[in-house]
Amino acid sequence: SQKIEQNSEALNIQEGKTATLTCNYTNYSPAYLQWYRQDPGRGPVFLLLIRENEKEKRKERLKVTFDTTLKQSLFHITASQPADSATYLCALDGTGTASKLTFGTGTRLQVTL
Amino acid sequence: DADVTQTPRNRITKTGKRIMLECSQTKGHDRMYWYRQDPGLGLQLIYYSFDVKDINKGEISDGYSVSRQAQAKFSLSLESAIPNQTALYFCATSDSQRQETQYFGPGTRLLVL
Repeated sequence: SQKIEQNSEALNIQEGKTATLTCNYTNYSPAYLQWYRQDPGRGPVFLLLIRENEKEKRKERLKVTFDTTLKQSLFHITASQPADSATYLCALDGTGTASKLTFGTGTRLQVTL
Repeated sequence: DADVTQTPRNRITKTGKRIMLECSQTKGHDRMYWYRQDPGLGLQLIYYSFDVKDINKGEISDGYSVSRQAQAKFSLSLESAIPNQTALYFCATSDSQRQETQYFGPGTRLLVL
């Protein structure tokens, strides 16, 4: 069966360090993968999209990699700040249906001073 | 994101009652979605609509129904609410002509007693 796995344990890092979050998937052949940020009690907000033929994508302090052989995406936040504390969700398009997304359960990031 | 609004934001109801959650968007998107989110389970797709005449069931449609009254409006109904429908409900939109990014509303917190 299709599965998206994100580390359910919170990631605690110190301000200024690089945070790396992992998204692994099985039984998917996604055309693209997306990352969203969600703050408590609020709707997810889109951050980055990376396509299957792209290895890496950057946006300001964010970087996403996509390895379709390993079936894994890594999401990096460099020079992390307390304001980056949130839950980060990865999402894949459904097999054969490019308009439906399936979301992982998310990883909570806590950046401390 | 004020472009996608949900009403009500909070709702308490009793078992067996029929309730409706409403979603409106000013983004001009053709596609709309309803998700529920439970702690530790991530976002689960209830129903989605690719245009006014197209309604599709998601992963967990039992006990729910929807109505796409116009391109900008998509309502979710709980026919006979039960306690395990207590959750956070999100509406989302996307544009079929662009990337498959989804834009989420602020959510409705529903408690079924």
